[in-house]
Amino acid sequence: QITLKESGPTLVKPTQTLTLTCTFSGFSLSTSGVGVGWIRQPPGKALEWLALIYWDDDKRYSPSLKSRLTITKDTSKNQVVLTMTNMDPVDTATYYCAHYGSGPFDYWGQGTLVTVSS
Amino acid sequence: QSVLTQPPSVSGAPGQRVTISCTGSSSNIGAGYDVHWYQQLPGTAPKLLIYGNSNRPSGVPDRFSGSKSGTSASLAITGLQAEDEADYYCQSYDSSLSGSLVFGGGTKLTVL
Repeated sequence: QITLKESGPTLVKPTQTLTLTCTFSGFSLSTSGVGVGWIRQPPGKALEWLALIYWDDDKRYSPSLKSRLTITKDTSKNQVVLTMTNMDPVDTATYYCAHYGSGPFDYWGQGTLVTVSS
Repeated sequence: QSVLTQPPSVSGAPGQRVTISCTGSSSNIGAGYDVHWYQQLPGTAPKLLIYGNSNRPSGVPDRFSGSKSGTSASLAITGLQAEDEADYYCQSYDSSLSGSLVFGGGTKLTVL
């Protein structure tokens, strides 16, 4: 049974750096073909893909946010960490991590709402 | 503005059939990349509904089906039920954006 759960601050100030952790179980990020991605959703708006890390440490980022994002993995802890620099109120959103099964995001975490406000 | 274009809303009465379109371009759907569909019930995380254009994960009713042609894809829901009221998103890969994953803008399905 695959499960994922996001954790991190619920409130950050403008210009601060956001660090989110995805802790998962039921699969290994050292298995060929496996990936974990981050997707966000501002309140009342659409899903937006942010970043993806593969089992072989290949990393992909949204072109529009690439300069602000870093994704890393700790295979031994079954965790993936996303950092986003220079947070702005427009970055207020629910942030999801999801298991990437060679195409679709087939398992999702429950999401964590991050509010950016001073 | 999303790379994949979906109608903002569709509606139908219980028992009816509705379709949701997802229009892309030659760098994503038209290039042969797979389209996946997600259902997001109110207040919950998205759930994979259709993968690889037309495949249903285990547990998804066969009332849901997907298809792809040219630069577009479609999600069809037959025998509409009240519990189908949700937001639906398509997703694919775009080769013009440094290997970017892309979502559609989402479609709100209202069951009348």
